[in-house]
Amino acid sequence: DQQVKQNSPSLSVQEGRISILNCDYTNSMFDYFLWYKKYPAEGPTFLISISSIKDKNEDGRFTVFLNKSAKHLSLHIVPSQPGDSAVYFCAASEMGTNAGKSTFGDGTTLTVKP
Amino acid sequence: KAGVTQTPRYLIKTRGQQVTLSCSPISGHRSVSWYQQTPGQGLQFLFEYFSETQRNKGNFPGRFSGRQFSNSRSEMNVSTLELGDSALYLCASSSSGTGMETQYFGPGTRLLVL
Repeated sequence: DQQVKQNSPSLSVQEGRISILNCDYTNSMFDYFLWYKKYPAEGPTFLISISSIKDKNEDGRFTVFLNKSAKHLSLHIVPSQPGDSAVYFCAASEMGTNAGKSTFGDGTTLTVKP
Repeated sequence: KAGVTQTPRYLIKTRGQQVTLSCSPISGHRSVSWYQQTPGQGLQFLFEYFSETQRNKGNFPGRFSGRQFSNSRSEMNVSTLELGDSALYLCASSSSGTGMETQYFGPGTRLLVL
């Protein structure tokens, strides 16, 4: 049973437009969510996070939205830039337990075309 | 601060052999987690160590084991390698592994089993 799902394996957008990456989860115990970005031959790097007490968190061009009732979160990138082309992983954990155990989605490959 | 380092970066083994991978966390970080990434799969959690103790374990067979040393460096061992063990193995460190901490990933060790 996959507890964190990213249903779109890939997404292609034009430079300057908005990129929206989606993530669904099934475990209602998850209360902390993160997005990581991964370039080829590198490990994932942290991008942005949100706890379940919020429904939105913004950091520059990146905004994460959380809909707890739908168990859905999304990452918005505005405006998209070619350097944003990477694999994006959604991850979830339980704040009351150890962050050392995060559950990841399969990733979405974002391609931003110049 | 130096980032998370993993050695070796690439490894080729044959079925039935065993392998040991090494991870040096960011200085001061005491939590080290290991993940397996295979094509089309997200990051699958293997285990997490904190202060030389395994705190969390994922759903992997007993052939996968690990340990952590007093300086927080960690090793992961896979015995009796199978073709399906070919993957990118990532380690991540965090300060204390509490629920809201970001994990910092190393570049990974790519293992190919022939």
